[in-house]
Amino acid sequence: IAGITQAPTSQILAAGRRMTLRCTQDMRHNAMYWYRQDLGLGLRLIHYSNTAGTTGKGEVPDGYSVSRANTDDFPLTLASAVPSQTSVYFCASSFSGTPGNEQFFGPGTRLTVL
Amino acid sequence: GQNIDQPTEMTATEGAIVQINCTYQTSGFNGLFWYQQHAGEAPTFLSYNVLDGLEEKGRFSSFLSRSKGYSYLLLKELQMKDSASYLCATMDSNYQLIWGAGTKLIIKP
Repeated sequence: IAGITQAPTSQILAAGRRMTLRCTQDMRHNAMYWYRQDLGLGLRLIHYSNTAGTTGKGEVPDGYSVSRANTDDFPLTLASAVPSQTSVYFCASSFSGTPGNEQFFGPGTRLTVL
Repeated sequence: GQNIDQPTEMTATEGAIVQINCTYQTSGFNGLFWYQQHAGEAPTFLSYNVLDGLEEKGRFSSFLSRSKGYSYLLLKELQMKDSASYLCATMDSNYQLIWGAGTKLIIKP
């Protein structure tokens, strides 16, 4: 692994199903983030984690949950998917969550909820 | 409220110079980032400004005026590969990034 990876690359999901998007980084970054990107809108923060064992809510957390059991992994779970969760999801990481630290992004997961 | 404004789309000619503007209103300010995003790909970091002034990095420069809530990204000697979206983001008082919708830059030969 080099950098930050996400799986799956894309997924079509029936409404009401549970889905976990995976994110792994090998840069030993302390902070990790989940964003969604929708056409015409900026990236919106869903959840974040400043260090392993802690998580926080971003701008649009409803319908999503996260966990940070270790430094490398930060999975995002949709408990019961709805069509409005159709989006491109990006995971990102940074050395820390403090000012000046650039965020590195994974390649994204394109999710369609029907 | 928090708001980031940037033009939706701009067109420029190969070899020319283009300036992409960004204005912001956020609760607290801990710096401004510019990212580049090619279609279908992830955003990649270009620059970070926290103090007023111009930061130059090769063909790309970024300017910040905190008193005016204004930044711009200047791209010189445009190349076809510069066709991409350019995202402006500020870090607010909670250390979270607030993102603009991005400016799609189209380069014509």
